[in-house]
Amino acid sequence: NAGVTQTPKFQVLKTGQSMTLQCAQDMNHNSMYWYRQDPGMGLRLIYYSASEGTTDKGEVPNGYNVSRLNKREFSLRLESAAPSQTSVYFCASSWTTGELFFGEGSRLTVL
Amino acid sequence: SQKIEQNSEALNIQEGKTATLTCNYTNYSPAYLQWYRQDPGRGPVFLLLIRENEKEKRKERLKVTFDTTLKQSLFHITASQPADSATYLCALEPDMNTGFQKLVFGTGTRLLVSP
Repeated sequence: NAGVTQTPKFQVLKTGQSMTLQCAQDMNHNSMYWYRQDPGMGLRLIYYSASEGTTDKGEVPNGYNVSRLNKREFSLRLESAAPSQTSVYFCASSWTTGELFFGEGSRLTVL
Repeated sequence: SQKIEQNSEALNIQEGKTATLTCNYTNYSPAYLQWYRQDPGRGPVFLLLIRENEKEKRKERLKVTFDTTLKQSLFHITASQPADSATYLCALEPDMNTGFQKLVFGTGTRLLVSP
C-alpha cells in the first residue's frame, strides 16, 4: 500500500513559471486536501475536495488552482509562481472525517 | 480572532521522563481534536483523536486530555525515548456543521529526548 504519493519531491521555479503538483491516494478516500507548511505558520489549507467532482477554497487559495481528476488524484497548479509560494506542500486524504493521511511533501523554491 | 497555539520553544527532556505538550485554542468550539507527529523532511503522521465528550484518550505510552472549559488539550508521552524526538502538531475541526472536516493546525512543538 503506497498511501498518498506526491510528485515531484523537489522543484525549483523562476518567478512567473507554472507547474503542477500531483497527488494520488490508493485508500479509496472520499476527501483530499492540499496544505502548505511554512516556518512559524503551521500547516495551512489551500484547497480541499470533499468528493470526486467537487473542490473548494481553504484558508490560502490565492495563486493556486486544483483539479480532482478522479477519486484517486488531486492536483495543485501554480499558474504564475511567486517567491511567496516557496514552501513545502503536503497532499492528504481522509474519509469524510477522522485522521488525515499525508504524503511526504513537495519542496518548492521560487526564485 | 481564532487561534490555535502550541509552545514554539523546543521541549528538552531526559529519557524515561514524561513529556507534556500543550495545545490551547481561542474562539473555536471543536467537536474533536487530533494530534500528529512530524519527523524532519516527512509528512505528519496521525497519533490520536479525542472528541469533545471525552476527557482522556490513551494509546500505549501516549495520553491525550481535552478540557473544553480551559480550551486546552494536553499530550503526554510517558517513559519517553530518544526515538520520540519529533515535532508534535495539534489540529482541530472548527466547524462540523458543514459535515466535512477542514482541520486547522497549530505550529507544533519540537520534542527532544536525550539519552
